[in-house]
Amino acid sequence: DAGVIQSPRHEVTEMGQEVTLRCKPISGHNSLFWYRQTMMRGLELLIYFNNNVPIDDSGMPEDRFSAKMPNASFSTLKIQPSEPRDSAVYFCASSPPGQLNQPQHFGDGTRLSIL
Amino acid sequence: GENVEQHPSTLSVQEGDSAVIKCTYSDSASNYFPWYKQELGKGPQLIIDIRSNVGEKKDQRIAVTLNKTAKHFSLHITETQPEDSAVYFCAASIGSGYSTLTFGKGTMLLVSP
Repeated sequence: DAGVIQSPRHEVTEMGQEVTLRCKPISGHNSLFWYRQTMMRGLELLIYFNNNVPIDDSGMPEDRFSAKMPNASFSTLKIQPSEPRDSAVYFCASSPPGQLNQPQHFGDGTRLSIL
Repeated sequence: GENVEQHPSTLSVQEGDSAVIKCTYSDSASNYFPWYKQELGKGPQLIIDIRSNVGEKKDQRIAVTLNKTAKHFSLHITETQPEDSAVYFCAASIGSGYSTLTFGKGTMLLVSP
C-alpha cells in the first residue's frame, strides 16, 4: 500500500527563492497535516486540512508561508521568500475519517536547506 | 494549549534489557496518546496508541500505560534489540474525529549488542 508521498526529498536553495513542497496523502484519508521538525523546537504543527478545507493555520510562522489543498489527493506548502531560518525537515501526514481520534501516517519528509 | 513533556532525552540500554520512556501532559481533556518511532531519514511511524478509556495496551514487546489521574503515560519495550534503536516520540490529542497532536521532544534510544 502506498503511504504518504512527499516531494522533493531534499531541497537546497538560496535565500529569497520560492520553495514549494508537495504531498500526496493516503487514498481515502480526509485529514492532512503539515509539520516542521527542528532540533530546537521538535515537531511543530503548521497547518491542517479536513476535507480539503484549512481548519487551523495558527502554527504557520509567518505570511511567507502558505498552504493549499486543491483536491483530496494533493497539497502544497509554499515559502516565499525563503530565509535560512526556514531550514528544517518538513513532514506531511494524513489520517482517515472517523468519530474518534485517528492515527496520523507520516511521509518521509522534505529536508530543506536555505543558504 | 496542551504541553507534553518527555523523559529521558537519551536512553542507552544493553540488548535484552527493558526500556521505559515517560511522558506527562497538561490538559486533562486529552484522550488519545500515540507513540511514534522515527528512524534516521524517515518520518515518524506509529507503533502503538492508547485511548483514555483504557489503562494499558500491549503489542508483542511493546506496551503503553496511562495514568489519567496523574496525567502521565509510558512506553515500555521489553527484550530490546539493536533494531529498536531510534528516536521515540509521545504525543497527546484532545477531541475526536480529525485531531491535532502535541508531541514530546523525543527520546533517542540506543540499544547496544
